Amino acid sequence: DTAVSQTPKYLVTQMGNDKSIKCEQNLGHDTMYWYKQDSKKFLKIMFSYNNKELIINETVPNRFSPKSPDKAHLNLHINSLELGDSAVYFCASSQRAGVGEAFFGQGTRLTVV
Amino acid sequence: KQEVTQIPAALSVPEGENLVLNCSFTDSAIYNLQWFRQDPGKGLTSLLLIQSSQREQTSGRLNASLDKSSGRSTLYIAASQPGDSATYLCAILQGGSEKLVFGKGTKLTVNP
Repeated sequence: DTAVSQTPKYLVTQMGNDKSIKCEQNLGHDTMYWYKQDSKKFLKIMFSYNNKELIINETVPNRFSPKSPDKAHLNLHINSLELGDSAVYFCASSQRAGVGEAFFGQGTRLTVV
Repeated sequence: KQEVTQIPAALSVPEGENLVLNCSFTDSAIYNLQWFRQDPGKGLTSLLLIQSSQREQTSGRLNASLDKSSGRSTLYIAASQPGDSATYLCAILQGGSEKLVFGKGTKLTVNP
């Protein structure tokens, strides 16, 4: 069983489109995260949700809107996609905010053309 | 602001060699430190987690150490194998924070 799963794995879309990436964890964790890995392979946090509540919003453009319908799911919706949004987006979870080991999904490679 | 540095950026070794990957951080007020492995096109796999109160953790051929006072961690890989080829990432969970701060990684190639 995959602990943290995200879909799709690959996403190619045109500039200006709106797209969503879905993430689910079956670990019973309270906290979920979105990280972005840029072209230089540098990983940076974007958002964190704890029990469906936003606890970290790391100066991400408001075109990015996370949604957590329940604590097992954290989706990322991106409006008006730009070329610079091309990156690999990783979902992760941990038992509680700031506690314990973080588990990552396989990543979603977003390419904006 | 926590900064995490990993040196070297890339490392190539022959199979069977023991090797050490380095991670340094600027703020010693950490909660824990986690080592990850990333294979090309894949996600991150957690290798070892060291709590701030611990000095080292071991898993199989891997041993991670933590020296908070000097702001350093090392990942020791014994008897390296070609299957160990990957990018190794060090990440710090800062005390009082809910986010991991990552280094840029060390790309390891183990040659048969």
